[in-house]
Amino acid sequence: KQEVTQIPAALSVPEGENLVLNCSFTDSAIYNLQWFRQDPGKGLTSLLLIQSSQREQTSGRLNASLDKSSGRSTLYIAASQPGDSATYLCAVTQTGANNLFFGTGTRLTVIP
Amino acid sequence: DAGITQSPRHKVTETGTPVTLRCHQTENHRYMYWYRQDPGHGLRLIHYSYGVKDTDKGEVSDGYSVSRSKTEDFLLTLESATSSQTSVYFCAISDFGGVGGYTFGSGTRLTVV
Repeated sequence: KQEVTQIPAALSVPEGENLVLNCSFTDSAIYNLQWFRQDPGKGLTSLLLIQSSQREQTSGRLNASLDKSSGRSTLYIAASQPGDSATYLCAVTQTGANNLFFGTGTRLTVIP
Repeated sequence: DAGITQSPRHKVTETGTPVTLRCHQTENHRYMYWYRQDPGHGLRLIHYSYGVKDTDKGEVSDGYSVSRSKTEDFLLTLESATSSQTSVYFCAISDFGGVGGYTFGSGTRLTVV
């Protein structure tokens, strides 16, 4: 069974700092990997979707990379802001499985 | 989220009563999913649908049933609610079984007392 791990579980940084969130998965037979943001008591907002054939995707201050062979993805956030404070979840769509396998998330706090 | 609506947003019910949660989409996506989110367990798939009247079980389907009579609506029913089903329930949609990514609803917070 696919297992997705996110490290660290929580991260606190001062405003303006660049940071990296890590995601690893055990089975490399995936269609894609998706990064989500979840604010407390809210739903999941999709940030970036990387197809298995891609190496990275960028949206504004966010950059996500994917190394399928090693089972790793990173989410890079540049010039962090207090509004970036949230829980970040990565999830993989596995080939042949109608399911999205989630990590348990990284809770980010950006201190003004 | 645009294109996907869950109702109700919050519900408190008593143990042993049936409960139905509704997910409505306007994206005409073929695939719809129900997940539950619990502390320490993350998000887990309950049931999913790959077309009208076509559904299948996920990893935590016991005690739940689903129905999809129209492309746009996917209903989740708790046959006889238990306290262990207190959770936040999310609906998601996808166009090609996840190949194009997933879009999630805002969630339903269900409390069983």
